[in-house]
Amino acid sequence: QKEVEQDPGPLSVPEGAIVSLNCTYSNSAFQYFMWYRQYSRKGPELLMYTYSSGNKEDGRFTAQVDKSSKYISLFIRDSQPSDSATYLCAMSAGSGNTPLVFGKGTRLSVIA
Amino acid sequence: DTGVSQDPRHKITKRGQNVTFRCDPISEHNRLYWYRQTLGQGPEFLTYFQNEAQLEKSRLLSDRFSAERPKGSFSTLEIQRTEQGDSAMYLCASTISGANVLTFGAGSRLTVL
Repeated sequence: QKEVEQDPGPLSVPEGAIVSLNCTYSNSAFQYFMWYRQYSRKGPELLMYTYSSGNKEDGRFTAQVDKSSKYISLFIRDSQPSDSATYLCAMSAGSGNTPLVFGKGTRLSVIA
Repeated sequence: DTGVSQDPRHKITKRGQNVTFRCDPISEHNRLYWYRQTLGQGPEFLTYFQNEAQLEKSRLLSDRFSAERPKGSFSTLEIQRTEQGDSAMYLCASTISGANVLTFGAGSRLTVL
């Protein structure tokens, strides 16, 4: 079993839809959770960062972490064509001393 | 602050040749990471530096891979005797000690013919 599991999609939604992206993980030591967005042929860019369990909202984006279920989610409200990208979950156990472990990424297309 | 800079952006080489990639991190970042990303996969950790010290290198894929950060600023990743399986995007990222969030460069794409 991989440490981080993420459905690679692809996921195609109409403009304005609510998108739900998810990852599960097996390492209970993970405490720091991130979502990165990656456009084609570009490097990943940080979208959301959360520590431990709970919710965090930033504009149209909401990140949720459920450590008891080892499950994290990213919700995108009012999705736009510009949101079309690959979304990577990433997580880490330590405070900068352990490398980020990434999921495979979910490719999202938002159709106008 | 111009972000993390990687060079070259794309390298095409023949099997058996050596290639070197360069990464210039954000100037105040003392930690520098190298990741590899193959098609349809997430980034895979290779190695990282704190200043000039290489703190983890056991994940380098083989002894053909090596990395340096001689003065604690820019870093190079070298792949010797390239194989077709080395074709991938090589990503560099930087951060400050104790931080978890990495800032990535645009990547260097390697194609081995």
